[in-house]
Amino acid sequence: DAGVIQSPRHEVTEMGQEVTLRCKPISGHNSLFWYRQTMMRGLELLIYFNNNVPIDDSGMPEDRFSAKMPNASFSTLKIQPSEPRDSAVYFCASSISGRASYEQYFGPGTRLTVT
Amino acid sequence: KQEVTQIPAALSVPEGENLVLNCSFTDSAIYNLQWFRQDPGKGLTSLLLIQSSQREQTSGRLNASLDKSSGRSTLYIAASQPGDSATYLCASNAGGTSYGKLTFGQGTILTVHP
Repeated sequence: DAGVIQSPRHEVTEMGQEVTLRCKPISGHNSLFWYRQTMMRGLELLIYFNNNVPIDDSGMPEDRFSAKMPNASFSTLKIQPSEPRDSAVYFCASSISGRASYEQYFGPGTRLTVT
Repeated sequence: KQEVTQIPAALSVPEGENLVLNCSFTDSAIYNLQWFRQDPGKGLTSLLLIQSSQREQTSGRLNASLDKSSGRSTLYIAASQPGDSATYLCASNAGGTSYGKLTFGQGTILTVHP
């Protein structure tokens, strides 16, 4: 099993540019979660999907952030336009909902720097 | 809204000591609780998951306990080693009604020195 795959691993961009982060969940998992980690705020849940449908996006900070899951094996998190305060590590996680544990498995993260 | 707190924020111990990390949560209606380890610049590795019906889980030198009624969990590390140095995070899982949404504590930074 390849685990949760995220790309790119590092992204450096200038303020105002569009940024797209990608995630491939573990095959067979039907729930997908996007988190953001900063020193100040720790790990925050941004949005999550179940069976490709967004369930709760209340953690998305602003309209500049959007996420999609067009199929069971791919999700994107887009920031447009990006700002320096968006600099953080973004994690994707997946799980099997309906199973006993709902245990989440995390990807390696994308470190985003906006200058 | 669930809030998760971890104490202490940082801990430094000599190699070989047994230690306890604490996690508390405000809403006892959790489905389960997970403990994670995060090495600097890396992702999260799941260490232990305790279901709400369980009292404890063990894996090697790690033992996690759960007291739902008091809103507390502890992670016990026996005979600590320098390789245990990392940030330890606990997270409450909301389970079926929220598809397993996790709420994280701020973490405990553990340093084990030789």
